[in-house]
Amino acid sequence: QKEVEQDPGPLSVPEGAIVSLNCTYSNSAFQYFMWYRQYSRKGPELLMYTYSSGNKEDGRFTAQVDKSSKYISLFIRDSQPSDSATYLCAVLENTGNQFYFGTGTSLTVIP
Amino acid sequence: DVKVTQSSRYLVKRTGEKVFLECVQDMDHENMFWYRQDPGLGLRLIYFSYDVKMKEKGDIPEGYSVSREKKERFSLILESASTNQTSMYLCASRSQWGPETQYFGPGTRLLVL
Repeated sequence: QKEVEQDPGPLSVPEGAIVSLNCTYSNSAFQYFMWYRQYSRKGPELLMYTYSSGNKEDGRFTAQVDKSSKYISLFIRDSQPSDSATYLCAVLENTGNQFYFGTGTSLTVIP
Repeated sequence: DVKVTQSSRYLVKRTGEKVFLECVQDMDHENMFWYRQDPGLGLRLIYFSYDVKMKEKGDIPEGYSVSREKKERFSLILESASTNQTSMYLCASRSQWGPETQYFGPGTRLLVL
């Protein structure tokens, strides 16, 4: 079983829509949950990061972790064409060195 | 502005060639990583290093080696390039103080013919 599973999409939404991106993970030892954004032909950049469970909000972005169901989500409100990118979830154990990444979800926001 | 740089953005090599990919970070980070990224497979860890001259195998080390002679520089070596090593290679660095400090380089797209 893979450590992290992510729906690859692609996802195509109109500008202004609410976007929901999701991952599931297998190991309850994971404590750090990250979302990276990767534009075409660029390296990933950290978008949001959560420790343990709960929600975290940053502008139009909300990261949510449900440890009981091993489910992590990223919500994008009022989506913009500039949000068009691949979004990668990643998890890490508390004392671990190795991130485990989802395969990424490709998002296109249509003007 | 934090920076991880990779020596090449695009490389074309022939089967059997020895290939060097260089990564340099200017954040004085202890940890450095090499990943490859392939469609449908995501990012997979090849090797990482938590200190100078120290290295640990990741999930897919076969066919690769690494070198870290200085704290800021981490090199990935393909001993004898093969076509199945055609991929996007990403370097990352991270401090010991938290996962939120991980930064990626822009990537090297390698084509092995």
